[in-house]
Amino acid sequence: SQQGEEDPQALSIQEGENATMNCSYKTSINNLQWYRQNSGRGLVHLILIRSNEREKHSGRLRVTLDTSKKSSSLLITASRAADTASYFCATDKGGSEKLVFGKGTKLTVNP
Amino acid sequence: DAGVIQSPRHEVTEMGQEVTLRCKPISGHNSLFWYRQTMMRGLELLIYFNNNVPIDDSGMPEDRFSAKMPNASFSTLKIQPSEPRDSAVYFCASSLGTSSGNTIYFGEGSWLTVV
Repeated sequence: SQQGEEDPQALSIQEGENATMNCSYKTSINNLQWYRQNSGRGLVHLILIRSNEREKHSGRLRVTLDTSKKSSSLLITASRAADTASYFCATDKGGSEKLVFGKGTKLTVNP
Repeated sequence: DAGVIQSPRHEVTEMGQEVTLRCKPISGHNSLFWYRQTMMRGLELLIYFNNNVPIDDSGMPEDRFSAKMPNASFSTLKIQPSEPRDSAVYFCASSLGTSSGNTIYFGEGSWLTVV
């Protein structure tokens, strides 16, 4: 079964708006990662947050982690058409190197 | 850095044929992963290697699938015989180190269609 589940499955917004995607997981983790996949391409790492961190920023990305609720969110501020992609969370399932991915959120940013 | 290199990028084959997908990980990376992506099941980890040794193959769907890593710079995923339900995008990925928290670098994928 999937360790991470993203919500919503699809999100359509206008350029300049913020986009928020959520991820829930089931078992304890050491860290959680977010990846991006452009259509027809491989996944690209965006950001990693460790279990002892609550929030992390990278450019226009803001990630939060709530281990008590077993959930994370990815916020993209001031979105651009180039942000159109699918976004996946991945968890390490108790500290192993094995990363398990959710099914992703498909984000469309309309110009 | 050339990144993770996969071949072929696209393959169309007939049911029953053998399919071999190839991967060259990033030089110096110790871990290699094979994932399969479909609309229905999302991204599934099939198998991963550490230092050329298979560590976890619990995601390999059945005996028709096999993977090898004869050296640090090459891995294959073989399907024999192939079936239409094997149609998917197969990703190879590699990472540095053998602990959690390492970034995984993906190749561009091998798009397999079995007719």
